[in-house]
Amino acid sequence: DAGVIQSPRHEVTEMGQEVTLRCKPISGHNSLFWYRQTMMRGLELLIYFNNNVPIDDSGMPEDRFSAKMPNASFSTLKIQPSEPRDSAVYFCASSYGPTDIEAFFGQGTRLTVV
Amino acid sequence: AQKVTQAQTEISVVEKEDVTLDCVYETRDTTYYLFWYKQPPSGELVFLIRRNSFDEQNEISGRYSWNFQKSTSSFNFTITASQVVDSAVYFCALANTDKLIFGTGTRLQVFP
Repeated sequence: DAGVIQSPRHEVTEMGQEVTLRCKPISGHNSLFWYRQTMMRGLELLIYFNNNVPIDDSGMPEDRFSAKMPNASFSTLKIQPSEPRDSAVYFCASSYGPTDIEAFFGQGTRLTVV
Repeated sequence: AQKVTQAQTEISVVEKEDVTLDCVYETRDTTYYLFWYKQPPSGELVFLIRRNSFDEQNEISGRYSWNFQKSTSSFNFTITASQVVDSAVYFCALANTDKLIFGTGTRLQVFP
């Protein structure tokens, strides 16, 4: 398996624009997590899905952020409108499930909002 | 509430020194998992180890060893004979049945 695949690896966008980050989890994994990493706040869990259903989105910073998982092999994290303070590295991770939490991480998307 | 504390923000050592990274956790769950991840300068997160709450046996893997003590809610990580390639940010993490929470990380710099 190729591991968790995230795209794009880097994204530079202007404030106010919509940004969509994509993630393909490892085949067979039932849980998917979105994390944000910044110098100030470290690694924060934004949202996670189990069997394509959002279980906990309490970490999503505000309504500008939304995440979807239309099927077991794809998830998106959307920011609309983007702001400079959204600049961070966004990681997607997947695991077999809640009780087998050995999460495998993608390489991250470095987002810069100017 | 769950919480992971890595009190050491940054550690610098000279190659071949032993170094211990501390991790203290808080949870009310009786079943939980503890992890260590490595984040090298290239940025990816590399899984190192997972321990469940019922297994307090210490583990050794090459130059790496982990000490899990439920009595002090600690899961410390020791690198023996450190090498420059060990330079990275190391994260301790805690999971219950549904989500993985990270500590703030310890940046380890190993100088030649």
